[in-house]
Amino acid sequence: DADVTQTPRNRITKTGKRIMLECSQTKGHDRMYWYRQDPGLGLRLIYYSFDVKDINKGEISDGYSVSRQAQAKFSLSLESAIPNQTALYFCATSDFTGGAEDTQYFGPGTRLTVL
Amino acid sequence: LAKTTQPISMDSYEGQEVNITCSHNNIATNDYITWYQQFPSQGPRFIIQGYKTKVTNEVASLFIPADRKSSTLSLPRVSLSDTAVYYCLTISSGSARQLTFGSGTQLTVLP
Repeated sequence: DADVTQTPRNRITKTGKRIMLECSQTKGHDRMYWYRQDPGLGLRLIYYSFDVKDINKGEISDGYSVSRQAQAKFSLSLESAIPNQTALYFCATSDFTGGAEDTQYFGPGTRLTVL
Repeated sequence: LAKTTQPISMDSYEGQEVNITCSHNNIATNDYITWYQQFPSQGPRFIIQGYKTKVTNEVASLFIPADRKSSTLSLPRVSLSDTAVYYCLTISSGSARQLTFGSGTQLTVLP
């Protein structure tokens, strides 16, 4: 979805390096999420944010940190990258309406390789 | 948090109806069931969401039995372009939403 952009799209780095993945959205949604996807494991939630002042850990937050700089921006950092963090990373947004409708809109993904 | 279980893969032929079932035995009372579609090198895309009985939209139907321990995504008359990975997940309606996708079902549509 072009309304959710991720940079970079591909990144190769070395063990121990600090890496930041950025996500921007123009949908005006309050909620933003970071997932990682590994072959055969589906998507796993790393962190999520319901508004600028709210940050929550997901299923696999160890080794990651996030920053919600503005409603439209949510960054994911790997403070000291390790090879098992090699994966496809997705950012998503949603707009909570209080009911059943909480459709998530995903970015195109960032392929990260840690050597 | 409900855990979902899906078949790893399914094959079908063009024009057939495809039904993909997801098991979510410990779904919470207020959880909704949502299905996403993912093509290679793209992020998942929302297909359909439901709470109980049957929901239908322009691309799919979702059948949820009374006990809500499973759900079935039905794709009518599939085409080659429906080849993708399909994920089911449950989502709570509370403010502290937890979301975990299952491992997905690879659907391959054959000519």
